[in-house]
Amino acid sequence: AQKVTQAQTEISVVEKEDVTLDCVYETRDTTYYLFWYKQPPSGELVFLIRRNSFDEQNEISGRYSWNFQKSTSSFNFTITASQVVDSAVYFCALRYGGATNKLIFGTGTLLAVQP
Amino acid sequence: DGGITQSPKYLFRKEGQNVTLSCEQNLNHDAMYWYRQDPGQGLRLIYYSQIVNDFQKGDIAEGYSVSREKKESFPLTVTSAQKNPTAFYLCASSIDGTSGVIDTQYFGPGTRLTVL
Repeated sequence: AQKVTQAQTEISVVEKEDVTLDCVYETRDTTYYLFWYKQPPSGELVFLIRRNSFDEQNEISGRYSWNFQKSTSSFNFTITASQVVDSAVYFCALRYGGATNKLIFGTGTLLAVQP
Repeated sequence: DGGITQSPKYLFRKEGQNVTLSCEQNLNHDAMYWYRQDPGQGLRLIYYSQIVNDFQKGDIAEGYSVSREKKESFPLTVTSAQKNPTAFYLCASSIDGTSGVIDTQYFGPGTRLTVL
């Protein structure tokens, strides 16, 4: 069965703090893909990153970084020096469905960055 | 500008009425998807379409119907058979849903449906 767990329901930090959002996944597939999306208060999901199962290199994009570890089935997301504009719900997702392109989402983590 | 539009942004419906949510994309994407989001929950797949004139049920299709007559349009009808339709509905699209290419799904701004 495919499953994505985001155990942190809500996180509150003060601006400029670093924060890590956890994502743990379950899949029997040997090849799979993981995604992170940001949902600001406006509601639209914004794509952040896609990672495949055979590339365990960490990724950094500005203040964002992602740590993918197959040994622990985790794909964690860190925001360095958080800003108020980072306040949003963040979703981790796992692609499943063979030839189709279906995603299963975690329940999301609400990040509140206080000024 | 290329993107996905959903209308209306807010929709109110009386119990027992069908209602149709619009989703249009000008990205020339083949595949389109409908998701439902409830408070505190992740997105759940309702229907998806990999190509014009074809669509498949997702995980929670009961009480919903779709059509895909044009590549750029994928309307969702919430029928009176849907027992708890109040939710936030998101439409998405991706370049190619059939070839096995791993596509990123891009999302529209959503429609918030409230049943009175």
